[in-house]
Amino acid sequence: QSALTQPPSASGSPGQSVTISCTGTSNDVGGYNYVSWYQQHPGKAPKLVIYEVSKRPSGVPDRFSGSKSGNTASLTVSGLQAEDEADFYCSSYAGSNNLVFGGGTKLTVL
Amino acid sequence: QVQLVESGGGVVQPGRSLRLSCAASGLKFRNYGFHWVRQAPGKGLEWVTFIWYDGSNKYYADSVKGRFTISRDNSKNTLYLQMDSLRAEDTAVYYCVTDASWPAGYFPHWGQGTLVTVSS
Repeated sequence: QSALTQPPSASGSPGQSVTISCTGTSNDVGGYNYVSWYQQHPGKAPKLVIYEVSKRPSGVPDRFSGSKSGNTASLTVSGLQAEDEADFYCSSYAGSNNLVFGGGTKLTVL
Repeated sequence: QVQLVESGGGVVQPGRSLRLSCAASGLKFRNYGFHWVRQAPGKGLEWVTFIWYDGSNKYYADSVKGRFTISRDNSKNTLYLQMDSLRAEDTAVYYCVTDASWPAGYFPHWGQGTLVTVSS
């Protein structure tokens, strides 16, 4: 299973919006509406922020939103806040009972 | 609230074995599937393996197939990962995570992780 492709870094100023992409193939991202996103602060375990492409778990601010077009999924963080600075990972079901993650994106709040 | 506590990590020589445990509380353990997800130092996340709520089905990443075995004891609310023939590239923090709805493949709860270092 090949990892999904994410940009290594993204940045934005407080209050701005940032979008992080996650590109796969028709065998994973494009083939299923099973894309999830995780936020990981340094030294901490990841936290689920989006599942099934665009659903938010309870307690996750609505500043976090997800979408998908073809083989690319996207996470948008609106109204950036200092505490949003973290690593973000996407994941997707990849068929045949396999799951694949993206390489991760470091989000910097300027 | 849900608590997942991993243990059993440490330093091990290449080719040797190690067994990780994950003690779960705050949920009906026997109703949940569980995964192990790992993260090499300074690297990204990698899915390792998944076990159904009743242990009837198990799935593995190609990188560990034939070397790692996931199991569970529903009477002890504990998940296990038996790791054999360890390699340097297995060095990582191993997280125990709950499954929400396979194959949707998303993980609502994570443990704090346990570090496995494979080195001579």
